[in-house]
Amino acid sequence: GQQVMQIPQYQHVQEGEDFTTYCNSSTTLSNIQWYKQRPGGHPVFLIQLVKSGEVKKQKRLTFQFGEAKKNSSLHITATQTTDVGTYFCAGPYGNNRLAFGKGNQVVVIP
Amino acid sequence: SQTIHQWPATLVQPVGSPLSLECTVEGTSNPNLYWYRQAAGRGLQLLFYSVGIGQISSEVPQNLSASRPQDRQFILSSKKLLLSDSGFYLCAWIDRAGAEAFFGQGTRLTVV
Repeated sequence: GQQVMQIPQYQHVQEGEDFTTYCNSSTTLSNIQWYKQRPGGHPVFLIQLVKSGEVKKQKRLTFQFGEAKKNSSLHITATQTTDVGTYFCAGPYGNNRLAFGKGNQVVVIP
Repeated sequence: SQTIHQWPATLVQPVGSPLSLECTVEGTSNPNLYWYRQAAGRGLQLLFYSVGIGQISSEVPQNLSASRPQDRQFILSSKKLLLSDSGFYLCAWIDRAGAEAFFGQGTRLTVV
């Protein structure tokens, strides 16, 4: 079945610094989605990327979809304590199913 | 707008006891519904999905079952819980275009 892999699994980031998290699929994706789960909370949709090479920005967050539509990245600049949480990427497969990566757990150091 | 309700929020159950978690969706009809489990500090594992009333597909063999008695209701059950059933259970609705998943608040289940 569909496999979506994320690296790294854990990150400790100093407040104010930038960081990037990566997502790779074993197959070409029709779209890729990113979610954020705050500690103790549920995953919340951030964005969907559809086009090859697409780049979207949400304030300090920049999302990119690879040219081959098999990888994606999320880059956060000037990290804030509110960025703490686990970031998941997800890709569709089969009959409207979503395969989630294992997530990148981010800890922000004040 | 669509909302998804899931309860209870937390549950502590003894080994061998039954389980019933309920999920209901508002603001949409004929949704695709999903049950995910998240072990502590881990990713989301798809357990079951349903594309309509009475239609259940299982992703992994396990001690759990699911049912969809009504269009907007999805139930996760077990006859006898195991310690390994502990985890964070999330119900989700994904729109037909596959554009976005909406998650319930989750149920944190501890089997003791």
